[in-house]
Amino acid sequence: SQTIHQWPATLVQPVGSPLSLECTVEGTSNPNLYWYRQAAGRGLQLLFYSVGIGQISSEVPQNLSASRPQDRQFILSSKKLLLSDSGFYLCAWSVGVDRGDQPQHFGDGTRLSIL
Amino acid sequence: DAKTTQPPSMDCAEGRAANLPCNHSTISGNEYVYWYRQIHSQGPQYIIHGLKNNETNEMASLIITEDRKSSTLILPHATLRDTAVYYCIVRVPYNNDMRFGAGTRLTVKP
Repeated sequence: SQTIHQWPATLVQPVGSPLSLECTVEGTSNPNLYWYRQAAGRGLQLLFYSVGIGQISSEVPQNLSASRPQDRQFILSSKKLLLSDSGFYLCAWSVGVDRGDQPQHFGDGTRLSIL
Repeated sequence: DAKTTQPPSMDCAEGRAANLPCNHSTISGNEYVYWYRQIHSQGPQYIIHGLKNNETNEMASLIITEDRKSSTLILPHATLRDTAVYYCIVRVPYNNDMRFGAGTRLTVKP
C-alpha cells in the first residue's frame, strides 16, 4: 500500500532563517505531488504541485519554493522565513495518470512556528 | 468548482449512524463529490468520492441525490474516534486544488 511521510512534525524557526521540509511517498510511481498550507482556523491553500521530476507549478506568489529531485520526493524551501510563513504545511500525493477523479492523500503535516 | 454548504457542527451518539449533509446546488455535470475528515493536528484523511451513483467503502457510504444538488455522508456505526471535522468538496476532473471549506465538526458522544 502507499504511504506518505513528512518531517519534521513540528518546527520552530526564527524570522530570516532558511527552511527545508521534506515529503516522500512510498508504494507508487510517478505520483502527482502537492504542497498545501493551512493557516489557523482556515481552509487549505494550494502552494505548489508537481506532475514529474523537476516539474513544479506555483499557485501563489510567495516567499517559498518547491523542488522535486526524485520521483517520490518533494521539498518545500525558503531562503528567509517571514512571520507570515507560520502555519500547518501539508504534503499530498495522487495517482499520476488517471481519469481525473483520483483523490489526493495527505501526510500528517508539519506545524511551523516562526518567532 | 461548485461551492458547498455544510452545517458547522453536529453531534452523534456512539454506535448510531452519523449522517452528514452537504449542499452543492451549483454543481456541474462533470464535478465529483469528495469527502475528507481531519482529526485535530493531523492531515486530512480521504473517505470516499462519487459522481452520481451512491458509493460505499469500508469507512462510509455516500448518497448523492438524483439532481446531484446535495449529498450525505453516512458513518454507519459512529465511534469516539470518528470525532473530527468533515469536509465536502466538489471538484472538476484534473483540477489540482482540493478546496476545503469550513466543514462540519462532528462530535461523537458516549
